[in-house]
Amino acid sequence: GQNIDQPTEMTATEGAIVQINCTYQTSGFNGLFWYQQHAGEAPTFLSYNVLDGLEEKGRFSSFLSRSKGYSYLLLKELQMKDSASYLCAVRGGRSTLGRLYFGRGTQLTVWP
Amino acid sequence: GAVVSQHPSWVICKSGTSVKIECRSLDFQATTMFWYRQFPKQSLMLMATSNEGSKATYEQGVEKDKFLINHASLTLSTLTVTSAHPEDSSFYICSARESGTDTQYFGPGTRLTVL
Repeated sequence: GQNIDQPTEMTATEGAIVQINCTYQTSGFNGLFWYQQHAGEAPTFLSYNVLDGLEEKGRFSSFLSRSKGYSYLLLKELQMKDSASYLCAVRGGRSTLGRLYFGRGTQLTVWP
Repeated sequence: GAVVSQHPSWVICKSGTSVKIECRSLDFQATTMFWYRQFPKQSLMLMATSNEGSKATYEQGVEKDKFLINHASLTLSTLTVTSAHPEDSSFYICSARESGTDTQYFGPGTRLTVL
């Protein structure tokens, strides 16, 4: 089966740095995605990793270690608008038709 | 970035009626679209994978006769909830996979309330 784990909740203060971890066990791996979802809205794409290492995109960075089945999303210079749920998703192999397997999401609350 | 639209954004209907939700990729072609359902404070649950020109692939536990999916073109997929009941009330989200990058882009979602 597929198993994606991430913390349920995290809190941080404005201007700080927060790291959201995600571990996965899947049959087949074809990339890991991070999405941001505000309450009542659909997820928006943040980042994509398919090779080991760090991908940086402005205030957001995502890291992947395939051998450890581990990824993290790093958010710098936190702003109030970053309060949202962050979803880790793994794309399965060809036999899964490229579907994404989602974790339950990490609800991040940013305090002033 | 790629844009996916959904229509309607919200709908309220009576129990027993059918509701159609449209998902369109506006600036790219999508041979594959996905339909998800999300209950409050829960993660996205994949319902089915929609492939243009062929039958949809449904996840285990999802009734294909209740949730009809039609992927008639490379930019449009529709989900019809037939004989809706209150327990079908949920947030329905589609996504479209962009050829080349294989990134999935999500529509804004449709909130369905069945009275």
